[in-house]
Amino acid sequence: KAGVTQTPRYLIKTRGQQVTLSCSPISGHRSVSWYQQTPGQGLQFLFEYFSETQRNKGNFPGRFSGRQFSNSRSEMNVSTLELGDSALYLCASSSLTGQMETQYFGPGTRLLVL
Amino acid sequence: GDSVTQMEGPVTLSEEAFLTINCTYTATGYPSLFWYVQYPGEGLQLLLKATKADDKGSNKGFEATYRKETTSFHLEKGSVQVSDSAVYFCALRRTNFGNEKLTFGTGTRLTIIP
Repeated sequence: KAGVTQTPRYLIKTRGQQVTLSCSPISGHRSVSWYQQTPGQGLQFLFEYFSETQRNKGNFPGRFSGRQFSNSRSEMNVSTLELGDSALYLCASSSLTGQMETQYFGPGTRLLVL
Repeated sequence: GDSVTQMEGPVTLSEEAFLTINCTYTATGYPSLFWYVQYPGEGLQLLLKATKADDKGSNKGFEATYRKETTSFHLEKGSVQVSDSAVYFCALRRTNFGNEKLTFGTGTRLTIIP
């Protein structure tokens, strides 16, 4: 079974631009979560989608948004990029067939904002 | 709110040494506990997990026991190898269905020297 895939793997943008990152979960998984990883703040939860609905949201400004499609693929969008948005963005999926299903992570998209 | 405190790194050990990485948590209720590992340039991989008090998670020679009385989930391995060099993250997740958010510790960088 293929793992979680994220595209693109690397991205360079300039301040003020916007960016869209994509995540394809493991086949059959309906929950997708996004995390931001930076050296200063560590791993922080952005949001989680299940069946095209956002169920949980972390403490990030409204510039960070996401969505999930009917095939469970998810995208996250960051508008008006700031230098501090430079980070590794990780996506994780889980099947939710049981109460405590494991989250499987993708390789991440490394975003550099200049 | 929920929080995870991990032993500060970096940790450098010789091959075949005994490893302990301390992890303590603060959370209401009875969270599930996880150890994830991140190899250079990659996403997170689940190493082991425990879902209730006194459970022991184990994988690839690593072990951790869920200690509710000390709110701890320390990671141990009896004999480390060079290939164990990575960053290790302790994490917790609430047990209520519908909350997939993982709260991570800051990570501990482990380097094993031959």
